[in-house]
Amino acid sequence: SQQGEEDPQALSIQEGENATMNCSYKTSINNLQWYRQNSGRGLVHLILIRSNEREKHSGRLRVTLDTSKKSSSLLITASRAADTASYFCATDSNTNAGKSTFGDGTTLTVKP
Amino acid sequence: DAGVIQSPRHEVTEMGQEVTLRCKPISGHNSLFWYRQTMMRGLELLIYFNNNVPIDDSGMPEDRFSAKMPNASFSTLKIQPSEPRDSAVYFCASSFRAGQHYEQYFGPGTRLTVT
Repeated sequence: SQQGEEDPQALSIQEGENATMNCSYKTSINNLQWYRQNSGRGLVHLILIRSNEREKHSGRLRVTLDTSKKSSSLLITASRAADTASYFCATDSNTNAGKSTFGDGTTLTVKP
Repeated sequence: DAGVIQSPRHEVTEMGQEVTLRCKPISGHNSLFWYRQTMMRGLELLIYFNNNVPIDDSGMPEDRFSAKMPNASFSTLKIQPSEPRDSAVYFCASSFRAGQHYEQYFGPGTRLTVT
């Protein structure tokens, strides 16, 4: 299976609620990134967290990394309809030699 | 900066025809990636280049697919002959990989339909 696997596959919430998505991976990593993909568009980089970091914030985004559990979570607070998109995690490690390994993504729907 | 530029945005072709997808990475970036995305298989890395040299083409499905990067500002992905199962959205992405910088910048994609 892929290095990064997102959970859940799909998530539907009301505007204003928080959305939490999880990513699990199998091998040791150098960093983990989250990307967003709006329908019909390319992926957009959101945030990068390094293996020696545990938490990172960017606006309404909060990312955590637990290397002991090989997992990461992306929290979007006070969600908006415009946050409706697919979210992917991607990992970089010494074993994948310069390329990021993407998971299958979580599809988030925020209802107005 | 205009970002990563891909052409064409949409391509409809008949089975057996040659298809060429084009990509112009962001100026100054030293790595370029070709991905394919479908509902069934998700996002797949086909090949990536570092400093114009192909580093890993293990994701290229078969010999019908080939990719080139003749210079730092241009890359092509060619499918010859095309088949209906090649229908997908093809993304090009570029990044500046040095030290701890890994962010990839994606183009808008080329939606390929092979009939």
